[in-house]
Amino acid sequence: DAGVIQSPRHEVTEMGQEVTLRCKPISGHDYLFWYRQTMMRGLELLIYFNNNVPIDDSGMPEDRFSAKMPNASFSTLKIQPSEPRDSAVYFCAWGTGDYNEQFFGPGTRLTVL
Amino acid sequence: RKEVEQDPGPFNVPEGATVAFNCTYSNSASQSFFWYRQDCRKEPKLLMSVYSSGNEDGRFTAQLNRASQYISLLIRDSKLSDSATYLCVVPPWGFQKLVFGTGTRLLVSP
Repeated sequence: DAGVIQSPRHEVTEMGQEVTLRCKPISGHDYLFWYRQTMMRGLELLIYFNNNVPIDDSGMPEDRFSAKMPNASFSTLKIQPSEPRDSAVYFCAWGTGDYNEQFFGPGTRLTVL
Repeated sequence: RKEVEQDPGPFNVPEGATVAFNCTYSNSASQSFFWYRQDCRKEPKLLMSVYSSGNEDGRFTAQLNRASQYISLLIRDSKLSDSATYLCVVPPWGFQKLVFGTGTRLLVSP
């Protein structure tokens, strides 16, 4: 257990619907990361936060994706509207800033029909 | 050239064998390097960190060659439980984000 809770663990939705993925990391971290993993593209960084502030969102595919971190123990990744190509496993990870080490949550498997 | 490149495998080895994976990276300024392990349908987990020339942890040895810009992972006395995908990770210097290779799949058979 890397100390990260992600919900839901599985999500199946239809194209056009809004999807919200949630991440609750342990307290005391400095950095929070959102990744997406597919067979074709591997593991890609979408966005990361430092002390709740978005630092780099260059990996966010397009305006349909948005992420927030209202406090140190909660973050959301929203896709609106969702498309079939968004189907992937979305991971949340935390880091302390020490030596770049990161620890991943169990992921949310998203299927968009 | 990709930032991080790995042979995707799969590497099929019998139990007890020694197997090595290589990973090349393009950013010569990178200072820290990692190997993560990912089991099927699970999250990546940190296996080893490499900050100088190498690191050893039991049956696992990671080595860094800065001149040639590659990192290797050596697994001795392979176990069935070592079957997984091994991800090479190189953070760009000065940044917190990680760049992952596509992974090398290892299958250890009885």
